[in-house]
Amino acid sequence: DIVMTQSPDSLAVSLGERATINCKSSQSVLYSSNNKNYLVWYQQKLGQSPKVLIYWASTRESGVPDRFNGSGSGTDFTLTISSLQAEDVAVYYCQQYYTTPRTFGQGTKVEIK
Amino acid sequence: QMQLVESGGGVVQPGRSLSLSCAASGFTFSSYGMHWVRQAPGKGLEWVAVIWYDGSNRNYADSVKGRFTISRDNSKKTLHLQMNSLRVEDTAVYYCAKDVRFGSGTYWIDYWGQGTLVTVSS
Repeated sequence: DIVMTQSPDSLAVSLGERATINCKSSQSVLYSSNNKNYLVWYQQKLGQSPKVLIYWASTRESGVPDRFNGSGSGTDFTLTISSLQAEDVAVYYCQQYYTTPRTFGQGTKVEIK
Repeated sequence: QMQLVESGGGVVQPGRSLSLSCAASGFTFSSYGMHWVRQAPGKGLEWVAVIWYDGSNRNYADSVKGRFTISRDNSKKTLHLQMNSLRVEDTAVYYCAKDVRFGSGTYWIDYWGQGTLVTVSS
């Protein structure tokens, strides 16, 4: 199974500042035949179901603010919130869809400092 | 609009069985793969199982393999999860979720239900 490891487990960022979340996979999720990284980012706010933010590691879902950016390739990925807003307080998860079983990172809790 | 409504959760004793259902509407259910994902209280997300659009392919997490069975009834637009030999550690909110991919294969989840709570306790 592919193990997904996020860091940090939690972070507190001031409003308007940058938040950076890392996600590392135990093996590459880059599919060589199409050069796509099979990595998605979800946001889960308290008491709500998760919502997709970024897929193919760097493609923003329709309607997601452009302050959310995904980057990385192979085994190392990053979700960046360029200017943290109050409504971004949530837990963020990465997940690989390269193979089954699908696996999630343990989550990163983002709070306001 | 798209809707996924889970049902069947509740309290069950260890070793017993429970069946979850998910009623889908607002999209062509028979054209998309479907997932179950669970979340233990205060914990992270754990993927449970996936089934292809036509039921021809199913995959499971190691933690539930041999105990849980995912199935679907496309005529009734319903997804099921049969859970046998339940353990205390199966206690979680179970989410029904739609895959983004049309037809064969699966990618990521693009829509989630609100979840149903399963509590395994004596």
